[in-house]
Amino acid sequence: KAGVTQTPRYLIKTRGQQVTLSCSPISGHRSVSWYQQTPGQGLQFLFEYFSETQRNKGNFPGRFSGRQFSNSRSEMNVSTLELGDSALYLCASSLRTSGTTDTQYFGPGTRLTVL
Amino acid sequence: DAKTTQPNSMESNEEEPVHLPCNHSTISGTDYIHWYRQLPSQGPEYVIHGLTSNVNNRMASLAIAEDRKSSTLILHRATLRDAAVYYCILREETSGSRLTFGEGTQLTVNP
Repeated sequence: KAGVTQTPRYLIKTRGQQVTLSCSPISGHRSVSWYQQTPGQGLQFLFEYFSETQRNKGNFPGRFSGRQFSNSRSEMNVSTLELGDSALYLCASSLRTSGTTDTQYFGPGTRLTVL
Repeated sequence: DAKTTQPNSMESNEEEPVHLPCNHSTISGTDYIHWYRQLPSQGPEYVIHGLTSNVNNRMASLAIAEDRKSSTLILHRATLRDAAVYYCILREETSGSRLTFGEGTQLTVNP
């Protein structure tokens, strides 16, 4: 069974640009969550999508947005990039059968560098 | 979200047991205790979870204190591949799939 895949793996952008990252969940998983990991803030939750609807949102500005397609694939978009957006962006998928016990499966992440 | 406290770092020798502690004194009755780990240059991976009773799986054991205010992740025989950051996370019913990561414990395994 294929794991969570994320594309691209590495990306370099300049300030002010926008970027779209893609995540393909494990087959059969309908929940996709996004996280940002930086050395200063650690791993922080961005948002979760389930059945094409945003179910949960972290404390990030509106420049960060996402969507989910009918095949459960998800994209996240960051507009007007800032230097502080440089981070590893991780995607996780799950069956979401239970809020407290479902296992999250993480992808390898997309390393975004903003110059 | 209820918070967890873990040591910043721990060291172990290969093939020896490792006990990674976690304090969660504000845990509520329905919070599950989860452990994830992140190996270098990889996304986090699930290790184990439990509610009240001790749990075992092929990767590790989870020992939960009777008052549930602390827990210990036990790696029975550490290998070099177990070197990672280990995160102790409380999952609330209302949090959905959200995981709230703390700083975790950096485990170093010496050959």
